[in-house]
Amino acid sequence: KNQVEQSPQSLIILEGKNCTLQCNYTVSPFSNLRWYKQDTGRGPVSLTIMTFSENTKSNGRYTATLDADTKQSSLHITASQLSDSASYICVVRWGNTGFQKLVFGTGTRLLVSP
Amino acid sequence: EAQVTQNPRYLITVTGKKLTVTCSQNMNHEYMSWYRQDPGLGLRQIYYSMNVEVTDKGDVPEGYKVSRKEKRNFPLILESPSPNQTSLYFCASSPQQGGNSPLHFGNGTRLTVT
Repeated sequence: KNQVEQSPQSLIILEGKNCTLQCNYTVSPFSNLRWYKQDTGRGPVSLTIMTFSENTKSNGRYTATLDADTKQSSLHITASQLSDSASYICVVRWGNTGFQKLVFGTGTRLLVSP
Repeated sequence: EAQVTQNPRYLITVTGKKLTVTCSQNMNHEYMSWYRQDPGLGLRQIYYSMNVEVTDKGDVPEGYKVSRKEKRNFPLILESPSPNQTSLYFCASSPQQGGNSPLHFGNGTRLTVT
């Protein structure tokens, strides 16, 4: 069964600290993996996308990694800010050309405390 | 500004009273989709549309209808709402169904059915 699991479910860190969120998936065939940020009361917004051949990609203070062999991805947030408080959702696209589907993780809720 | 607009943002209704949630995008996207988000379950796809007059069921279509008469609009219809349809609903669009393009989400509609 195609699944995406994220950990931890929730996390509290102090402002200025770093943190890492995890995403494990079992989908096949893999197409790409995307991290979204969802602020409270808003729709998810794309942070970064990883394709099969990419190991790491950065977007400002956000750095995503992908290990396609172990089917794991991580999202590292550096020097956290209060505005980083949000849910982070891992979404994996699977399927062949012509028909692809998305599998959503349940998200990690991050609270950055002053 | 490129965006997906959903209306209303909040809706409280009673069991059995038909309702429509509107969704409009101004990016000329071919692909549009509806999701519901429930605690602990993540985003689940209700219906999607590959283009005008082309719609198909997602993972949880029961109790919902959609239509795609114009490229920009993709309304979600609940003919006879029930309490188990109380949820947070998101409309999303992207240039096409597959590939590396992100989904652009609206800001959600919180529906309560009593």
